[in-house]
Order: sequence, then C-alpha cells, then structure tokens
Amino acid sequence: GEDVEQSLFLSVREGDSSVINCTYTDSSSTYLYWYKQEPGAGLQLLTYIFSNMDMKQDQRLTVLLNKKDKHLSLRIADTQTGDSAIYFCAERRGGGADGLTFGKGTHLIIQP
Amino acid sequence: KAGVTQTPRYLIKTRGQQVTLSCSPISGHRSVSWYQQTPGQGLQFLFEYFSETQRNKGNFPGRFSGRQFSNSRSEMNVSTLELGDSALYLCASSLANREAFFGQGTRLTVV
Repeated sequence: GEDVEQSLFLSVREGDSSVINCTYTDSSSTYLYWYKQEPGAGLQLLTYIFSNMDMKQDQRLTVLLNKKDKHLSLRIADTQTGDSAIYFCAERRGGGADGLTFGKGTHLIIQP
Repeated sequence: KAGVTQTPRYLIKTRGQQVTLSCSPISGHRSVSWYQQTPGQGLQFLFEYFSETQRNKGNFPGRFSGRQFSNSRSEMNVSTLELGDSALYLCASSLANREAFFGQGTRLTVV
C-alpha cells in the first residue's frame, strides 16, 4: 500500500524493553527515521538509519531494518516513564521528492 | 547550537483571514520543509525549500504557499483560512537530505 504502517498503541512495564514496529512502502527509500513526540511538543529526532544498513545502536535505542520485508523496528531498552510519548516512523522515499512520509504514530504507554 | 525556531507558538485566526508562520533553521542548514499535523490526517508534507527555491510541494491547495529568504529563514502563508486548516504546523531543517530536525511547531486554531 501507500501508507507507512504502525500499531497505534504499545503498553510495556517500566524496566522492560519496548519494541515499536513499522512497515514502510518504498523499496528505494534512502533513509528511515524514528521521531518522538511528547504532548504539546514538536518532533524530536531519535535516530535514523541509512537503507544500506541493517542495524544501528545508540545507547538504549536499537534500530533494525529488514529491507526485503520493508520492516523497521525501534527497540528501547530499560523503558522509563520519560519514554512515554508517541513514536513516529518516517521514510525518505527515493529522490526525496515528497519530503518525509510518516506513519500515524505509536502511543507508548508505560505501566509502573 | 540553537535548534529550529518557529514563531509564533500559538495563533488564533478567524475564517477567511490569512496567516504567516515563520521558521528559522539551524545555522548552516539550507533546506527547510513544512508539515501539517492534524489528528485525522497525521503528518503531511507541505513543501520544501532549498537556497530560496521551492524544490517540492505536497498535495495541498494553492492557498498554502511559502518562501525562503537568503538567510535560509522560511515563511509559510495560508490565505482564506478554513476551519480545517486548524493544525500544528511543523518546520524541519536539514543540512543535506539526511537528518531532519523539527521545531516546536505553531499551533493554529481557526474559529
């Protein structure tokens, strides 16, 4: 399809790992991104991965990319209450002609 | 290094009016793009500017326009406002077609 797909909600317990999944659309996408949005705020760039990589790690964040299945995931280790937010997956399609294409966002809910 | 600055943060306008939003990118970044965020449609690409030229435009009516100045600051304008234009307008700044850093947004309410 044409849309970047994400689950709407994910609930995890504090201290556990969170895994947020995304399916993107364009096999020629050059970069794939994860953004975090807290209430009333703009988008915070968490991390991004170039399409010729399959994994990127940055402190508590691990991004996995499966180009064959056009599947992207974000793992947050040791999830904390401050991680509660909406997480957006985005792709920059081949040529970058249409800016970034975003998913609808995944609400990450942290249970104590 | 200062981040992306958008002004104003909040605006209330009446239907039929026009509005201008401003975005100052990160120093040295020459690419500025604009997005509209609404609960129903999510985040949608409006347009992108690079070195004062519009490179790309999303699927929005001609009431939405923008420009970029020689110092890379950008403005977007919406004329003849409609209730459906109420949204969070986000600006992003890029050095190359790689990272895109967003500002805090301008919350526009049309009444």
